[in-house]
Amino acid sequence: GDSVTQMEGPVTLSEEAFLTINCTYTATGYPSLFWYVQYPGEGLQLLLKATKADDKGSNKGFEATYRKETTSFHLEKGSVQVSDSAVYFCALSETGGYNKLIFGAGTRLAVHP
Amino acid sequence: DGGITQSPKYLFRKEGQNVTLSCEQNLNHDAMYWYRQDPGQGLRLIYYSQIVNDFQKGDIAEGYSVSREKKESFPLTVTSAQKNPTAFYLCASSNSLFGAFFGQGTRLTVV
Repeated sequence: GDSVTQMEGPVTLSEEAFLTINCTYTATGYPSLFWYVQYPGEGLQLLLKATKADDKGSNKGFEATYRKETTSFHLEKGSVQVSDSAVYFCALSETGGYNKLIFGAGTRLAVHP
Repeated sequence: DGGITQSPKYLFRKEGQNVTLSCEQNLNHDAMYWYRQDPGQGLRLIYYSQIVNDFQKGDIAEGYSVSREKKESFPLTVTSAQKNPTAFYLCASSNSLFGAFFGQGTRLTVV
C-alpha cells in the first residue's frame, strides 16, 4: 500500500539556520502531497500542499516541491525561528475512491535562540 | 466561523466502559477521518468515511466503532474491547485535493 517516510528527529537548529526535513513516498497513481505542523497539545494544521508533479507549495517561508522522479517532497525554510519549533508531518492523499490520507511518523524540530 | 470541533478536550474512561468522542464539522466536507496518536509517534488511521452512511476501517479499527448518520458528524466510540485506549484522538475532514482540516483533539485516559 501507499506509504510516507520522513527523516527521524529530533532536528535541533539555531535560530536563522537553514532547515530541510526529508520526505519520500510510495504510491500508485498520482497522489496529492502535504506538510502539516503540530504544536504541543493541539491538532494538525495544514502548512502547504502540492497536487501534481513539479508543483511547489509554499507558506510562511516554508517550501516543498513535488518531485515525481525521486518520489520526494522535502520541506525547506531558509531561516528558522524559535516559533517554528513543532512536529512536522508529511502526508499523501491516495488517489481513487476514498482519498485516504497517509501520514509519515513526524519530525520534531527544536529551534534555539 | 467554519471549522471542525472535537469534544471533550479531555476524557477519562474506567476499565470496561465504552466512551464516545464527538466530531462535528461545518465545512461541508464529504470525507471525515479518525486518527490515533501515541506519545512521540505519528498518526494511525482508525476509521474514515467518504459519504453519509458509509465508512471504512483504517489500520487499527479493532476496539473502535463509528457512525455517519449526518454529513456534519462522525462520532467515535472507544469500546471496552480496546485494551489500550489511552491516546490522543484526532478527527479530520477534507475535500480531498485541498488537504484535511483537523480538530483540536481529545486526550483519552484510562483510570
